[in-house]
Amino acid sequence: DTGVSQDPRHKITKRGQNVTFRCDPISEHNRLYWYRQTLGQGPEFLTYFQNEAQLEKSRLLSDRFSAERPKGSFSTLEIQRTEQGDSAMYLCASSLGSYTEAFFGQGTRLTVV
Amino acid sequence: EDQVTQSPEALRLQEGESSSLNCSYTVSGLRGLFWYRQDPGKGPEFLFTLYSAGEEKEKERLKATLTKKESFLHITAPKPEDSATYLCAVHVDQGGKLIFGQGTELSVKP
Repeated sequence: DTGVSQDPRHKITKRGQNVTFRCDPISEHNRLYWYRQTLGQGPEFLTYFQNEAQLEKSRLLSDRFSAERPKGSFSTLEIQRTEQGDSAMYLCASSLGSYTEAFFGQGTRLTVV
Repeated sequence: EDQVTQSPEALRLQEGESSSLNCSYTVSGLRGLFWYRQDPGKGPEFLFTLYSAGEEKEKERLKATLTKKESFLHITAPKPEDSATYLCAVHVDQGGKLIFGQGTELSVKP
């Protein structure tokens, strides 16, 4: 097992374009989380899945953000009509069960120009 | 509202100078407290899980402790390679997400 994998590692996009990120969790993990992190801040929760069900989505999350986890395996995070304020590191994590440690991927660095 | 606060925001130590990082939490019901290390440009790396007040975990120069209101990460005789941001996070009742503090940036000079 190679851990949580995220793709791409870096993405530069023009304002107004749509972007999609992929996360492959640790194979036996049933929970998958998405976080956003800006410089000097801790990770900010976006959403999480248990298997294929999206159980919680941050109230702060714009309708431009959507996430899926088909068949409870990999997950995608899409941002529509990107804005400069979306520039951040997007982190994916997975865990086995509730209230256990989550393991993070290396993140996708998004820059909106 | 559930909240996690870390202090100090930044800490500079000389190699070999032991110190502690603090994570205080105000939550509805603690179901686990987690410490992570994060190097620049990388994802957080898991260090420790603590579930009950009085619990302690150790790994090399790091020792994590937990009380009913806070957790400490003690660093004994740090080395320059311990330089990183240390993040604290909690799982709470009625919630599935990890709630993070803002982190403590540790710099250890030779």
